Amino acid sequence: QKEVEQDPGPLSVPEGAIVSLNCTYSNSAFQYFMWYRQYSRKGPELLMYTYSSGNKEDGRFTAQVDKSSKYISLFIRDSQPSDSATYLCAMIDNYGQNFVFGPGTRLSVLP
Amino acid sequence: DAGVIQSPRHEVTEMGQEVTLRCKPISGHDYLFWYRQTMMRGLELLIYFNNNVPIDDSGMPEDRFSAKMPNASFSTLKIQPSEPRDSAVYFCASSSRQPGGEKLFFGSGTQLSVL
Repeated sequence: QKEVEQDPGPLSVPEGAIVSLNCTYSNSAFQYFMWYRQYSRKGPELLMYTYSSGNKEDGRFTAQVDKSSKYISLFIRDSQPSDSATYLCAMIDNYGQNFVFGPGTRLSVLP
Repeated sequence: DAGVIQSPRHEVTEMGQEVTLRCKPISGHDYLFWYRQTMMRGLELLIYFNNNVPIDDSGMPEDRFSAKMPNASFSTLKIQPSEPRDSAVYFCASSSRQPGGEKLFFGSGTQLSVL
């Protein structure tokens, strides 16, 4: 079993749809959870950052962490064509010794 | 700040040649990471430095790969000799481990093609 699992997609949705992206993980030591967005031919850029369990909202984006289920989600409301990218979840333990990325989900938002 | 700067953006070389990738981290960041990204394996951590000292190089695939950080503003990743299976996008990233600083800032990457 991989340490972090993520559906690779591709996921295609119409403009305006609500998008749900998810990751599961196996290491209960992970404490910090992040979502990175990667456009084609670019480096990943940090999109959302959360510590421990709970929700965090930033504009159209909401990140959820459920540590009891080892499950994290990213929701995108009113999706736009400019949201088309690969989304990678990432997580790190409390000691900063283990920073792991998911394989990424490729999202296409169709106009 | 200009962000993490990598060079070159693209590198095409022949098998057996030496390849050197360069990175300038964000000023003030004390951690620097080298990643490799392929379709098959995703993002793989190769090595990371803290205050210019290599901390974990367990991801370096073999002795053909080496990395240095001679000062806080410059790092290199060298492949010698290069092989076609080294073809990938190589990213450099930096971070500052201040409280809540577990955030990586990536460069634009170097697309390496070994023929």
